[in-house]
Amino acid sequence: SQQGEEDPQALSIQEGENATMNCSYKTSINNLQWYRQNSGRGLVHLILIRSNEREKHSGRLRVTLDTSKKSSSLLITASRAADTASYFCATESTGNQFYFGTGTSLTVIP
Amino acid sequence: EPEVTQTPSHQVTQMGQEVILRCVPISNHLYFYWYRQILGQKVEFLVSFYNNEISEKSEIFDDQFSVERPDGSNFTLKIRSTKLEDSAMYFCASSERDNEKLFFGSGTQLSVL
Repeated sequence: SQQGEEDPQALSIQEGENATMNCSYKTSINNLQWYRQNSGRGLVHLILIRSNEREKHSGRLRVTLDTSKKSSSLLITASRAADTASYFCATESTGNQFYFGTGTSLTVIP
Repeated sequence: EPEVTQTPSHQVTQMGQEVILRCVPISNHLYFYWYRQILGQKVEFLVSFYNNEISEKSEIFDDQFSVERPDGSNFTLKIRSTKLEDSAMYFCASSERDNEKLFFGSGTQLSVL
C-alpha cells in the first residue's frame, strides 16, 4: 500500500506554539498534498508539493518533502485555536487516485 | 468560491436496500472521485471518474458499487444492496486537472441498519 501514515496520531499544544506533523509513505510519488478536516466535515486542501520540490510555504504553513526518506512534514506556525482539526497527507503516484493517511488530530488550547 | 455539493447530508437505510448518493461537482472540473471514511478511521479511496468512465477503483469498489454521470452536472454513487459495513461518511470530490488538488463536498453520512 502506498498510503501515507501521519504521526503523531494526536497532538495537543498551546495557542501560539508551532505544530509539526509528519507523513511517511512507501512508494514513489508525483506529488503529496496536505488536507485539513474539521470534525464531521469534508476535507479542505491546504498545500500541494511536487516530487521535485523540497519546501513550500503558504501563509503560516510550511511543508517539506524528502523523497529519499519518503517523508513530508507540515509545520503550522503561531497556532490558533481555530487550527484545531485533523490533518491528512495524501499521496499520488500513478493514475488519478490519492491515498490518504490516518491523520493527525491537532488540538490547540486557547 | 465554487463548491462541491452533496445530497442528502444523512441517509438511513435498511440492510439490502439500494441507495444513491448524489454529488454536484464544480462546474468546470473534469475529474471526479468518491471516498469514504468510517468513523474515526482513514479516508479511503473508492473510485475516480474521467471522460465518462471509471479511471481507477479500489478493492472496496466491488460489484455492489457503481457510479454515473447522468447529465452534465450530477455525479452519483449507487450501492445496490447495502451491508452494515457500508455505514460511513461518503465524500465526493472533484478536480480541474489530473493529479491536482481535490475539492471535497461536505459528505453524506450513510447509516445501514
